[in-house]
Amino acid sequence: DAKTTQPPSMDCAEGRAANLPCNHSTISGNEYVYWYRQIHSQGPQYIIHGLKNNETNEMASLIITEDRKSSTLILPHATLRDTAVYYCIVRVVNDYKLSFGAGTTVTVRA
Amino acid sequence: DVKVTQSSRYLVKRTGEKVFLECVQDMDHENMFWYRQDPGLGLRLIYFSYDVKMKEKGDIPEGYSVSREKKERFSLILESASTNQTSMYLCASSLFGSGRTGELFFGEGSRLTVL
Repeated sequence: DAKTTQPPSMDCAEGRAANLPCNHSTISGNEYVYWYRQIHSQGPQYIIHGLKNNETNEMASLIITEDRKSSTLILPHATLRDTAVYYCIVRVVNDYKLSFGAGTTVTVRA
Repeated sequence: DVKVTQSSRYLVKRTGEKVFLECVQDMDHENMFWYRQDPGLGLRLIYFSYDVKMKEKGDIPEGYSVSREKKERFSLILESASTNQTSMYLCASSLFGSGRTGELFFGEGSRLTVL
C-alpha cells in the first residue's frame, strides 16, 4: 500500500471548517483513499472514502487532487466533539488490509 | 446502525493463562478483523476473516489464534498470555466488495492487562 503523510497535529476553531491534508504521492490507480477518526477511548470510526472523484456524506467531504497524490478531508462546521485523531489510509482494491498510521490529532477549540 | 460488540471492556489476566476475546456483529458482514493498538505503534492487524471458518494472518499474528465458527462471531485467542500482549484489542467488521471492504465498523475495544 502507498504510504500517507499527515501533519501530526492541528487546531481548529469551533464552527469553522477544518481542512485536514494528506499526502499520498505514491498512490496507484487501484488504491482507495479512506479517512477514519478515533475519539479518545473509543474504537476508530469510518468517515468517508474515495477513488478518484470527490465525495461528500453527512459527516465530511473528501477532495482528491486530479493527480491523486494528495487529498483533503473537510469537516464543514467543526464542533468540540470532532476533537479526535484523524487517519488517512490508502488501500488497494480487493485488499483486506487497512494500515493505520499515526494520524493527525485535531483539537477543536471553543 | 451497525453494532460490533466486544465481550469485555477490561480484562486482567496472569501470564500463561488462556484468554478469549469475543466479538459479535449484527449486520451480516462477511469480513471481520482483530487489531491491537499500542501507544506509538498505532493500530496493527492481527488476523482477519473473510468468511466462516476462513482466516488470514495480518501483520502480527504471532502468539494469537482466531476462530470463526459463525458469520457473526470472531474470537481472538491468546493461548498463553504474556506481558507483551498487554494492549487495547479492537474488533471490526465490513462488507465484502471493493470500497466497502475497507469501510470498517469497530467495536469499543477490550483493554487487556497481563500481569
